Amino acid sequence: EVLMTQSPATLSVSPGERATLSCRASQGVSSNLAWYQQKPGQAPRLLIYGASTRATGVPARFSGSGSGTEFTLTISSLQSEDLALYYCQQYNNWPGTFGPGTKVDI
Amino acid sequence: QVQLVQSGAEVKKPGASVKVSCKASGYTFRNYGISWVRQAPGQGLEWMGWLSGFNGDTNYGQKFQGRLTMTTDTSTSTAYMELRTLTSDDTAVYYCARVAAVGAGTGYCFDYWGQGTLVTVSS
Repeated sequence: EVLMTQSPATLSVSPGERATLSCRASQGVSSNLAWYQQKPGQAPRLLIYGASTRATGVPARFSGSGSGTEFTLTISSLQSEDLALYYCQQYNNWPGTFGPGTKVDI
Repeated sequence: QVQLVQSGAEVKKPGASVKVSCKASGYTFRNYGISWVRQAPGQGLEWMGWLSGFNGDTNYGQKFQGRLTMTTDTSTSTAYMELRTLTSDDTAVYYCARVAAVGAGTGYCFDYWGQGTLVTVSS
């Protein structure tokens, strides 16, 4: 099974600042990597797939990069509505595995 | 717009079974698979299994083999998840999610999610 790790566990950022979240896979997953946002009491929402492609309706301040084993989600200018948990997920190997999440707060 | 609407919260006793429904709309149900993902209180996301919207084929996570059954009713575009022999460890929010048609990997990426169904197992 491909193990996913995320860092940091918690990221404190001020509104308007840049937030950088990291995700690492225990083995190469090509670009088959997704990022999800989950707000309290809500279902996860797909933000990024293919490591760098924004899903429908996702604001341009969210961007993804990386391939192989190292990935990054960047929020260029944090808005208050971006406070949430962010999960990465590899779907290169069946069935796909999630990271433990990074909590973004102020 | 694509929507997945799940059935309401359930409270079950240990040893019982639960069946959760997920009604899809806004797309052709047969063209996409559905997975079920659960989230225990304060925990991360755990994939449970996959179900074909086309022919009802399934594959389940090893952890759930033998006590998980996923079915579809294509006439109503509804997917079902039944989990048997419940224990307190099964207390979680259960989500259905549409499998996105992206990438060349063999795993599943999810582009739309249901609102979640809280299943509480307690004596």
